[in-house]
Amino acid sequence: GAVVSQHPSRVICKSGTSVKIECRSLDFQATTMFWYRQFPKQSLMLMATSNEGSKATYEQGVEKDKFLINHASLTLSTLTVTSAHPEDSSFYICSGIAGAYEQYFGPGTRLTVT
Amino acid sequence: GENVEQHPSTLSVQEGDSAVIKCTYSDSASNYFPWYKQELGKRPQLIIDIRSNVGEKKDQRIAVTLNKTAKHFSLHITETQPEDSAVYFCAASKAAGNKLTFGGGTRVLVKP
Repeated sequence: GAVVSQHPSRVICKSGTSVKIECRSLDFQATTMFWYRQFPKQSLMLMATSNEGSKATYEQGVEKDKFLINHASLTLSTLTVTSAHPEDSSFYICSGIAGAYEQYFGPGTRLTVT
Repeated sequence: GENVEQHPSTLSVQEGDSAVIKCTYSDSASNYFPWYKQELGKRPQLIIDIRSNVGEKKDQRIAVTLNKTAKHFSLHITETQPEDSAVYFCAASKAAGNKLTFGGGTRVLVKP
């Protein structure tokens, strides 16, 4: 399958600071990437759809000014959590589409806000 | 929007037995149904998928069936092994390149 990487794998930050997470497609070009959040023992919840060269599309209830998404190239999308709070602590996973349908996930980033 | 329900939430089977997970979806326009396996702290891994133009697909010990009329699809794992223990998610999508809506997940435990 296609390979997606994420960086960092773990990050701890203080409340009020911002954190940037990178998502890269290593062996394919991803016009579209997706960002998910997953709380412990729960399913993946889509946060936003990231489109190369255009603005991201956010799901209902996701604050676009808090979760900034940039998709500057066909292999890189970034998610910046601004003014992080403890409730933002979660597992953030990105994915990219290789081929027509198949969606491949990155290894995830565990964010802890203290 | 699309809603995907998944059952059961937990499933415990004896090694060698079969495991079946069922999902229903609400949007008749959905036409792509992947299944993912996620081990603790790891990424979801695509294990099998099916499109709406077929009713069944098999890959070694794993098979997926789709009933478009009833809007449900199922994952079948035969001859289960301890390494099959994980959380399995079903999902649905309306079109190529479109977002996935996930089911709630099934935690499968295969007892040796």
